[in-house]
Amino acid sequence: GQQVMQIPQYQHVQEGEDFTTYCNSSTTLSNIQWYKQRPGGHPVFLIQLVKSGEVKKQKRLTFQFGEAKKNSSLHITATQTTDVGTYFCAGGPYNFNKFYFGSGTKLNVKP
Amino acid sequence: ETGVTQTPRHLVMGMTNKKSLKCEQHLGHNAMYWYKQSAKKPLELMFVYSLEERVENNSVPSRFSPECPNSSHLFLHLHTLQPEDSALYLCASSQDRDISYEQYFGPGTRLTVT
Repeated sequence: GQQVMQIPQYQHVQEGEDFTTYCNSSTTLSNIQWYKQRPGGHPVFLIQLVKSGEVKKQKRLTFQFGEAKKNSSLHITATQTTDVGTYFCAGGPYNFNKFYFGSGTKLNVKP
Repeated sequence: ETGVTQTPRHLVMGMTNKKSLKCEQHLGHNAMYWYKQSAKKPLELMFVYSLEERVENNSVPSRFSPECPNSSHLFLHLHTLQPEDSALYLCASSQDRDISYEQYFGPGTRLTVT
């Protein structure tokens, strides 16, 4: 079965609104990575989280790793049209050197 | 921008054809990957190579045959494909097979099987 679940599948927001996508795993993860894929493009690495409860920021993007290391979130403040794309999380369970990508959240931003 | 290149970018082939997809990475990485991306399964890992040795094969049909002649090049040989194999095929590389390393993706090959 799928190791990493991601919700929502789609999100439509008005420019300036906030956006959040969530990533959940049934097992404890050793790390989690986030990628962005623009329409017609390929996934591009954004960030990696490793520590329990870790929070990292990149300008308007805030990434969190849950205390139990089973979930993560990506929050975008005041979305812009340049944020359009699909955001993927990818996690690797402990003691199992394998990576699982979430199903992605497709973000559309209306100007 | 990308240190991973893929050719061709677009490919249309019949079910009886034989074709190959090529991937080259210029990053000095030791691990390379093939992914299939379709509407049904956004990012489906197919094969993993580490130091030119195949270390993972995720129940991929035998009509897909990977080849890694050296750490910079990766091929995906295709034969007798089915229409449901139409998808975007992405190649990626990482410094090492360990999951702590980020993956760098190529632009992909858009494959259409007729």
